Amino acid sequence: AAGVIQSPRHLIKEKRETATLKCYPIPRHDTVYWYQQGPGQDPQFLISFYEKMQSDKGSIPDRFSAQQFSDYHSELNMSSLELGDSALYFCASSSTRRGLAEVETQYFGPGTRLLVL
Amino acid sequence: AQTVTQSQPEMSVQEAETVTLSCTYDTSENNYYLFWYKQPPSRQMILVIRQEAYKQQNATENRFSVNFQKAAKSFSLKISDSQLGDTAMYFCAFTSGGGADGLTFGKGTHLIIQP
Repeated sequence: AAGVIQSPRHLIKEKRETATLKCYPIPRHDTVYWYQQGPGQDPQFLISFYEKMQSDKGSIPDRFSAQQFSDYHSELNMSSLELGDSALYFCASSSTRRGLAEVETQYFGPGTRLLVL
Repeated sequence: AQTVTQSQPEMSVQEAETVTLSCTYDTSENNYYLFWYKQPPSRQMILVIRQEAYKQQNATENRFSVNFQKAAKSFSLKISDSQLGDTAMYFCAFTSGGGADGLTFGKGTHLIIQP
């Protein structure tokens, strides 16, 4: 079965540079989520999008922004990178069926390892 | 805000034994969902099992089962006949019934299966 695709898988940047991470959800999934997992930490929710609209917001820094496009893929833009931004960034996708009581399971991509030097 | 607590940072058992991982949570919501995710050394996040709060029956998936105690806000994971491939970090996660809400994770339990 098709899974969530993330690119790039690895990224090395210098401080104060910008980075763009991409996420391609599972086919027919309309919702994407972004998480940040620091070394030895649990994943922290950043932001989610449903049908190209921001749905929920977590601990996303103001230096970060994200959007979802008409083909449902999403991009996380990170500016003025700091050493502390070095982490594994996960994208997850689900099929959100508005109007129904059920919450669909989030399926995670393999992650993008970002290293800021 | 919801919180998820995993009180066992690390556990180690012998292959073929049964092991139970603990998870408690705090919420004022009545409609919510609980999950266990596994993160092996590859760091891929893999769904193990999910439980809907409105269901009284405990979820099971092959060797994995949960003990969901809604009143006690407890959600433990039991792994039967443990295998070497079960070695991983296990995260308990919570989300409310908001459709596209993010997951709140516990700190994780590092499970080691010894041969």
